[in-house]
Amino acid sequence: EIVMTQSPATLSVSPGERATLSCRASQSIGTNLAWYQQKPGQAPRVLIYGASSRATGIPARFSGSGSGTEFTLTISSLQSADFAVYYCQQYDNWPPCSFGQGTRLEIK
Amino acid sequence: QVQLQESGPGLVKPSETLSLTCTVSGVSMSSYYWSWIRQSPWKGLEWIGYIYYSGRTDYNPSLKSRVTMSLDMSKNQFSLKLSSVTAADTAVYYCVSGVPYFDFWGQGTLVTVSS
Repeated sequence: EIVMTQSPATLSVSPGERATLSCRASQSIGTNLAWYQQKPGQAPRVLIYGASSRATGIPARFSGSGSGTEFTLTISSLQSADFAVYYCQQYDNWPPCSFGQGTRLEIK
Repeated sequence: QVQLQESGPGLVKPSETLSLTCTVSGVSMSSYYWSWIRQSPWKGLEWIGYIYYSGRTDYNPSLKSRVTMSLDMSKNQFSLKLSSVTAADTAVYYCVSGVPYFDFWGQGTLVTVSS
């Protein structure tokens, strides 16, 4: 099974600043990666698929990049609604897919 | 807009079978793959498996021996059965649309395994 490792576990950023979240795969997955946002008490919501394609209705301040084993989710100009937990998911070696353990983005 | 709603017992005894149903609205069930995902503090997010409208299924190898999924298109529902549960199966269970990434999620239902 492919292991997904996210860093950092917690990221403290001020509103209006940029946040950069990382996800590393234990083996190459091409661009078969998605990013999700989860707020307390809610289900995850897909933000990015194919490593860099925004899902329907996702603001342009969310962007994804990377391929192979290294991936990044960037949130430019953080808004209060963006403070949440973010997960990456690989779907290259399917089944099963696998998720990272999450990065908590908190207000600095 | 696709909407999904889980239903089923919130408490299951060890060694028994966990049974959940997901009711789908806003879309034809022949349009998507339908998955179950669970989330627990000790394992994080874990994909359980999917079912397609044709009845084709695919399960996580780690759970395959205990999982059965089924579909009732006349009721716009799909279901999960997980047998021989233990405390490690305690989690929030989500029904989800999409494969290989997941675009619509139910609100989730907490299932606790305890005597």
